[in-house]
This record gives sequence, C-alpha cells and structure tokens, in this order.
Amino acid sequence: DGGITQSPKYLFRKEGQNVTLSCEQNLNHDAMYWYRQDPGQGLRLIYYSQIVNDFQKGDIAEGYSVSREKKESFPLTVTSAQKNPTAFYLCASSISAGGFNEQFFGPGTRLTVL
Amino acid sequence: DQQVKQNSPSLSVQEGRISILNCDYTNSMFDYFLWYKKYPAEGPTFLISISSIKDKNEDGRFTVFLNKSAKHLSLHIVPSQPGDSAVYFCAASGVPPGAGSYQLTFGKGTKLSVIP
Repeated sequence: DGGITQSPKYLFRKEGQNVTLSCEQNLNHDAMYWYRQDPGQGLRLIYYSQIVNDFQKGDIAEGYSVSREKKESFPLTVTSAQKNPTAFYLCASSISAGGFNEQFFGPGTRLTVL
Repeated sequence: DQQVKQNSPSLSVQEGRISILNCDYTNSMFDYFLWYKKYPAEGPTFLISISSIKDKNEDGRFTVFLNKSAKHLSLHIVPSQPGDSAVYFCAASGVPPGAGSYQLTFGKGTKLSVIP
C-alpha cells in the first residue's frame, strides 16, 4: 500500500532535549512538508522540500531543522531552541511543488515535552 | 494576519440535512482551494478542490462553491451523515512572494457534528 508513515505516534521528551520525528513516503513524490497543529489552530508550515538535498523554511521554522538525503524520507528535528514544542506534527507529500498538487498527509506524531 | 478564515469553530446539523461550511480568504494570489477532513489524532484527508477559474465542483455528496468577487467559498454536504462528524479545514494554494513553489495556507477549521 502506498502512503506516508510517521513514527512514533506519541513521543515524550524532557525539556532541553532534541528530538527527531520520522516521515517516510512510498508514493514517489518529489515534494514533502512538515506542519504543526495546535489546539483550535490551523496547520502551520514549518519546512518544505521540493527535491532531494533541498529544503526551505516555512512560516514557523525557528527551533526546527530538517534534512532530505533520500526522496522517501524527510525527518524533522525539534531542537531545544523551540520555545513551545508540545504540539501535533504532520508530514505531507505531493507529486511536486511546481504546480498545484494535492498534498497527502501522514497520521501525525503528538509530541509532549515535559 | 490570517489569510484563510473559517469563522465558525463549530456546527451541528441533523442527520439527513444539509451541512454548509464557510471559508473566506484575503489574498487574490490563491488559485486553488481545497477542503480536508480530519478526525482527532489523525492526519487530514483530502475531500474536494476547486480551481479559481470555476465556481462549482461536485463529488458525490460534497459540493464546493467559489465566489471570487467575495473571496468566499463554501462546502455543502448533502445529505449529512453521522460519519461526516469531523473537523473540516479549508486550504488555499498559491505561490507566496519569494517562495518559488506552491504552498497551502490553512484555516483554523470547523468542527462538524452530525446528530443522528
């Protein structure tokens, strides 16, 4: 089955620790995205990548980092510099970012920083 | 400054009746609009989209209407079913200045409850 997987579904970390969220897709999509959702809020774009070895900051990139070494994978690291990291994180992909294409979402990871 | 607004945080509708979810946008650069459905603790799933050159798109029970002059779109669900109970996000697609690629801008969502 083609799709996007995110792991783990729930993640707990102590304040001050870096944590990496996994996102893998087997849809052969070029573009991948990371969003953050807070209660009562829409999805806000953290980082996106149009192609392997390339990525750009979204609206709320401060305190986050990403890499895109493989087409299938786009991990997100939440660093200790992120002031309020507790949130629901969603990864998405689309065929390309060069034109309008529907984005497909993974199941999400809920990160709680204690 | 919110570019995509869903002014109703929640909506309750009787089963079998019509559900109408509304969305307003401010930026004329948007050229596609999408609706996503989201259950708690899951990722959003795509429902329906509409190009800015159209004013209506229909897919089964779901119809999206676009009024470009008013910068307003709406999602109609007829007839509403209990399984439609979820949060619905409106999203607009466009290329922000300096971005070089299409991005989605989301509203805050409307929680629809369909009462049996």
